[in-house]
Amino acid sequence: AQTVTQSQPEMSVQEAETVTLSCTYDTSESDYYLFWYKQPPSRQMILVIRQEAYKQQNATENRFSVNFQKAAKSFSLKISDSQLGDAAMYFCAYAGTASKLTFGTGTRLQVTL
Amino acid sequence: GAVVSQHPSWVICKSGTSVKIECRSLDFQATTMFWYRQFPKKSLMLMATSNEGSKATYEQGVEKDKFLINHASLTLSTLTVTSAHPEDSSFYICSAKQNHYGYTFGSGTRLTVV
Repeated sequence: AQTVTQSQPEMSVQEAETVTLSCTYDTSESDYYLFWYKQPPSRQMILVIRQEAYKQQNATENRFSVNFQKAAKSFSLKISDSQLGDAAMYFCAYAGTASKLTFGTGTRLQVTL
Repeated sequence: GAVVSQHPSWVICKSGTSVKIECRSLDFQATTMFWYRQFPKKSLMLMATSNEGSKATYEQGVEKDKFLINHASLTLSTLTVTSAHPEDSSFYICSAKQNHYGYTFGSGTRLTVV
């Protein structure tokens, strides 16, 4: 079975600074997708970024980018120019051939002034 | 963009009664929907995978007789919590698979059993 590990329960970043959230996963599959989701206090799950395993190029969405290291099974999220609205729970997730999402335990991000 | 509507957003029911939660894809057809349970400050735990026109596939440890899932159309899946008890109180979230590895989430339902 696939597992997703987020080793940072909480992180803090100052506004306008950069923060990196860590995620590792374990799988024997070669074709899969990785995701970062944001869950603000409203608890609505919001897709931040998605990476296809067969693509070597790291995905980027505005201030959000990933460092995808397939051999190391690592998928970290970098948030640049952090904003107060970035404060939320961030979940790393994996989807393989079974199509269902497996989530990590989450990282709570605080953004301070 | 793709929208999934989940109702109700919150519900309070008496112990022993049943409650139904609806998950509806508004602008796309979802052959596969997923139901999650989330405890406070915890991650999402997959309960079951619902496929249109067939029986749901439940994750290990999830009581299929307590959590009834029906996916009767390409746009609607329902979760019924039968004979609810206080330990069933939780936040339930549905997700619809839009296309190849595209997932859209409902806004969730907070269930309180008193």
